[in-house]
Amino acid sequence: SAVISQKPSRDICQRGTSLTIQCQVDSQVTMMFWYRQQPGQSLTLIATANQGSEATYESGFVIDKFPISRPNLTFSTLTVSNMSPEDSSIYLCSVGTDNTEAFFGQGTRLTVV
Amino acid sequence: GNSVTQMEGPVTLSEEAFLTINCTYTATGYPSLFWYVQYPGEGLQLLLKATKADDKGSNKGFEATYRKETTSFHLEKGSVQVSDSAVYFCALSETGGGADGLTFGKGTHLIIQP
Repeated sequence: SAVISQKPSRDICQRGTSLTIQCQVDSQVTMMFWYRQQPGQSLTLIATANQGSEATYESGFVIDKFPISRPNLTFSTLTVSNMSPEDSSIYLCSVGTDNTEAFFGQGTRLTVV
Repeated sequence: GNSVTQMEGPVTLSEEAFLTINCTYTATGYPSLFWYVQYPGEGLQLLLKATKADDKGSNKGFEATYRKETTSFHLEKGSVQVSDSAVYFCALSETGGGADGLTFGKGTHLIIQP
């Protein structure tokens, strides 16, 4: 199994500011993903974080709003830029390989005021 | 595109009751199906999975059968316990492993009363 450390666990931010969320895995993994869970909604895939290249974004998500870095096989960051109250959500990091299930971090609960 | 629909909660049951949480899906091709569980204060964890039609996934007394003809993957348990109180998510992926993003249902909050 993979152990995922996600930081911060929660934050309250002012609108117009940006927050960077970190995801650290205890082993090298092929794939890293970022999800968003808005209040009362399902988890929605934001993007696949690719090591050494630009992330692959799902429909409705853009790099300017959610820049992602993945400098190596165990670490990734997601930035939520120019935040508005609509960005208040839980953001989750997930990792996996072809031969394993998907593992999830405990999430970052973001409130934008 | 792919989608997952599951019954919305909260679902409240007494201990030792029979549990069914319905899940249906829409997908192109032949997806793999999953149930994830999130206990209070913890992260999402895999409960069970099935990778092809008629497969039955099982774990901790829970089971679900991949029904291609009805595009369903209903979660069942014969006798629930207070410790089963959690949020349950049905999900699918186009591959069987963790190398693919998942499509989730909205989650079902299960409350088991003693």
